Amino acid sequence: GDSVTQTEGQVALSEEDFLTIHCNYSASGYPTLFWYVQYPGEGPQLLFRASRDKEKGSSRGFEATYDKGTTSFHLRKASVQESDSAVYYCALSDRRNSGGSNYKLTFGKGTLLTVTP
Amino acid sequence: AQTIHQWPVAEIKAVGSPLSLGCTIKGKSSPNLYWYWQATGGTLQQLFYSITVGQVESVVQLNLSASRPKDDQFILSTEKLLLSHSGFYLCAWSLPRLEVFFGKGTRLTVV
Repeated sequence: GDSVTQTEGQVALSEEDFLTIHCNYSASGYPTLFWYVQYPGEGPQLLFRASRDKEKGSSRGFEATYDKGTTSFHLRKASVQESDSAVYYCALSDRRNSGGSNYKLTFGKGTLLTVTP
Repeated sequence: AQTIHQWPVAEIKAVGSPLSLGCTIKGKSSPNLYWYWQATGGTLQQLFYSITVGQVESVVQLNLSASRPKDDQFILSTEKLLLSHSGFYLCAWSLPRLEVFFGKGTRLTVV
C-alpha cells in the first residue's frame, strides 16, 4: 500500500536557521503530495500541494519540489521563525485510490519543529 | 465561508462506556466527509469516509462506527470504549478531488 516516510521525528533550530524536513513516499500510482502543519490542539492545515513531477509548492516561505525520480518531497525554509514551531506532516493522495469518492490522505509520522529565539 | 465545528472539544470516558462525537460543516453543499484518528504522538489515520447522506464506508476497523444523518453532519460512535480508543479525533471535509480541510478535533481520553 501507499506510505510516507519522514526521516526526522524532531527538529530543533534557532531563529533564522535553514530548515529541511525529508519526505519520501511510496505509491503504486501517480500521487498528489502535500505538506500539512498542525499547531497544538488544532487540526492540520494545508500548507501546499504538488501534483506533477518537478512542480514546486510553496506557502509562507516554505517550499517543496515534487521529485518523481527520487520519490521525494522535502520541505525547506530559508529562515525559520519561532512562530513556525509546530508539527509538519507530509502526505499523499494516490489518484488510483481516490477515484472520485474517497480522497484518502496517507500521512507520514510527522516532524515536530521547535524554533527558539 | 466554510466552517467545520466538532464537539465536544475533549472527553474523558471510562472503559466500556459509550461514545458519540460529532461534527457539522456549514457553507458547503454535499461535501465528502471523513473521520481521522491520531494516537498520542502518532500519525493521522483515516477511519471512515462518506460521499452522501446515509452512506458511510469504513477504512480501518477499530470497533467504531460512523453515520451521516444529514448532509452537513457526521457522527462517530461506539457502544463500548476501549483503552486503545484514546487519541485525537478529527473530522474533515473536501469537495471531490480537492483539498481536505480538518476541524479542530476532539481529544478523547479513555480511563
